[in-house]
Amino acid sequence: DQQVKQNSPSLSVQEGRISILNCDYTNSMFDYFLWYKKYPAEGPTFLISISSIKDKNEDGRFTVFLNKSAKHLSLHIVPSQPGDSAVYFCAASEVRGGSYIPTFGRGTSLIVHP
Amino acid sequence: DTGVSQNPRHKITKRGQNVTFRCDPISEHNRLYWYRQTLGQGPEFLTYFQNEAQLEKSRLLSDRFSAERPKGSFSTLEIQRTEQGDSAMYLCASSLVGRVSQPQHFGDGTRLSIL
Repeated sequence: DQQVKQNSPSLSVQEGRISILNCDYTNSMFDYFLWYKKYPAEGPTFLISISSIKDKNEDGRFTVFLNKSAKHLSLHIVPSQPGDSAVYFCAASEVRGGSYIPTFGRGTSLIVHP
Repeated sequence: DTGVSQNPRHKITKRGQNVTFRCDPISEHNRLYWYRQTLGQGPEFLTYFQNEAQLEKSRLLSDRFSAERPKGSFSTLEIQRTEQGDSAMYLCASSLVGRVSQPQHFGDGTRLSIL
């Protein structure tokens, strides 16, 4: 059973436009959410996070929105740049053993065309 | 900041052999995590340490898998009697303790191929 779902395996966007990546989760115990970016042959890199007590967190061109009632979060990238082309993983976390342990989605491959 | 270092980057072995991977976390990070990632999937949590104590293990971590962090610095992940299904990317991550919501920093992984 997939507790974190990224239903779009890929997304293609023109440079300068907005990229919107979506993520749904099912476990109501999740209360800390993250987005990671991954380039080929590298490990995931932390991008942005949001606690369940907030509904929006912004960092430069990246904004994460959380809708707890819908168990949905999204990542907005604006404006999109070719260097943003990567696989984006959504992760939802709950505390286990004293630490937040993330459950990852399968990822969305973003391609930003010049 | 040297980042999380994993060795080797690639490991090819025959089915039934034992393999060991090493992870060196960011030096001031006292939490260390192991994940497995297969093709088309996100990373799946295996286990985590705070200093030398192993505090959480996933049910994915069968008894053929063992992880250690003897001095609270580097960690090793050993797989005994490897099987075809063990072929995957094994990722290590580390974070600070103190604020529960610290994000994890990942290494570039060890890719295991079972012949």
